Amino acid sequence: EPEVTQTPSHQVTQMGQEVILRCVPISNHLYFYWYRQILGQKVEFLVSFYNNEISEKSEIFDDQFSVERPDGSNFTLKIRSTKLEDSAMYFCASWDWNTEAFFGQGTRLTVV
Amino acid sequence: EDQVTQSPEALRLQEGESSSLNCSYTVSGLRGLFWYRQDPGKGPEFLFTLYSAGEEKEKERLKATLTKKESFLHITAPKPEDSATYLCAVQAGYGGATNKLIFGTGTLLAVQP
Repeated sequence: EPEVTQTPSHQVTQMGQEVILRCVPISNHLYFYWYRQILGQKVEFLVSFYNNEISEKSEIFDDQFSVERPDGSNFTLKIRSTKLEDSAMYFCASWDWNTEAFFGQGTRLTVV
Repeated sequence: EDQVTQSPEALRLQEGESSSLNCSYTVSGLRGLFWYRQDPGKGPEFLFTLYSAGEEKEKERLKATLTKKESFLHITAPKPEDSATYLCAVQAGYGGATNKLIFGTGTLLAVQP
């Protein structure tokens, strides 16, 4: 079964540091997403990426966030200057028409 | 505004005791309604997609149904391994839209032996 792979599984960083979360989506999918889930809360949409550009972003996705697809396989989320409130599980997902939306196992980001 | 509400927030069942989880939604132009299972510390695991009112899908002890306003996830004779959080999400819009998922808060299901 196809799967979305995320690394690292857990990242601890100091407040103000930059972090990069990495994802390898399913190879023939065209739509890529980042979601986050703060502990005990719902899964929230951050950003969608299609045709090598952002197609939609939520209010959460401010100037501190950026996404990139540097090559044909990786999809990254960068947080430039982390805050305590950025601590959450971050999920990458990929999707295409007539398929399910598959999620990765997530990266647990802890900002201290 | 597109919205998804799940009930109950938590449900405790005895093994073999069947029940249903509810997902009510308001969305402009439903493209699909998704059910996921989420284990603690893990990513959502896909269960079903429903596209139109009246549609039903089954997988082992789970059956999902869809109306124009809500979806139900029926669990028949649950086992302890069915314990998890069950998430409902809607996907709105067609062609040119981002097809993002809007999630509910989930139902935490505990099945006791």
